[in-house]
Amino acid sequence: DADVTQTPRNRITKTGKRIMLECSQTKGHDRMYWYRQDPGLGLRLIYYSFDVKDINKGEISDGYSVSRQAQAKFSLSLESAIPNQTALYFCATSDSRVSGRGTGELFFGEGSRLTVL
Amino acid sequence: GEDVEQSLFLSVREGDSSVINCTYTDSSSTYLYWYKQEPGAGLQLLTYIFSNMDMKQDQRLTVLLNKKDKHLSLRIADTQTGDSAIYFCAENVYNNNDMRFGAGTRLTVKP
Repeated sequence: DADVTQTPRNRITKTGKRIMLECSQTKGHDRMYWYRQDPGLGLRLIYYSFDVKDINKGEISDGYSVSRQAQAKFSLSLESAIPNQTALYFCATSDSRVSGRGTGELFFGEGSRLTVL
Repeated sequence: GEDVEQSLFLSVREGDSSVINCTYTDSSSTYLYWYKQEPGAGLQLLTYIFSNMDMKQDQRLTVLLNKKDKHLSLRIADTQTGDSAIYFCAENVYNNNDMRFGAGTRLTVKP
């Protein structure tokens, strides 16, 4: 089983609909992230959370919201989806205990492909 | 510039060496990373280098760091068809949440 699991893996929706992407992890990491991947643009950070009570905006947070329901769960919501939110979304985790003395490696889920018509 | 820059495409023949280049933005970046993304999958850390190093070698992978020019490269020796993927360069200042990714280089390995 994957350590970082995203659901759904694929979703097609219409403009104006509310969408939630969910992420759960079994790695025991405290930090969780949501990224968006667009061709030719790489990954851009939407939101990140360093623990359950900590939520921070990333580079492109407008139009998105998040909820950290538990240490292992971090969901991303699009309150009113628009076509330019069509992208591949990745959840990632990291361990602050490693970041402090090591690489700060991110562990990614397999991605959620969202298409907004 | 403000972006981590990489060329978008690279094509090599099986058995040749591949060199993927990256220019990063922050001279104080502490760690520099190469992530690999295979089709339909998330990114996985391939290797990383600490900023006080010039070179790191790990089996077929060699990472070179030129801090003066803020240039990072990844060399894959004896490239195989299984190396076909998108390779992302990323930089991170020590213990900072700001991990900046390049756009990714799509490596195609031809038989």
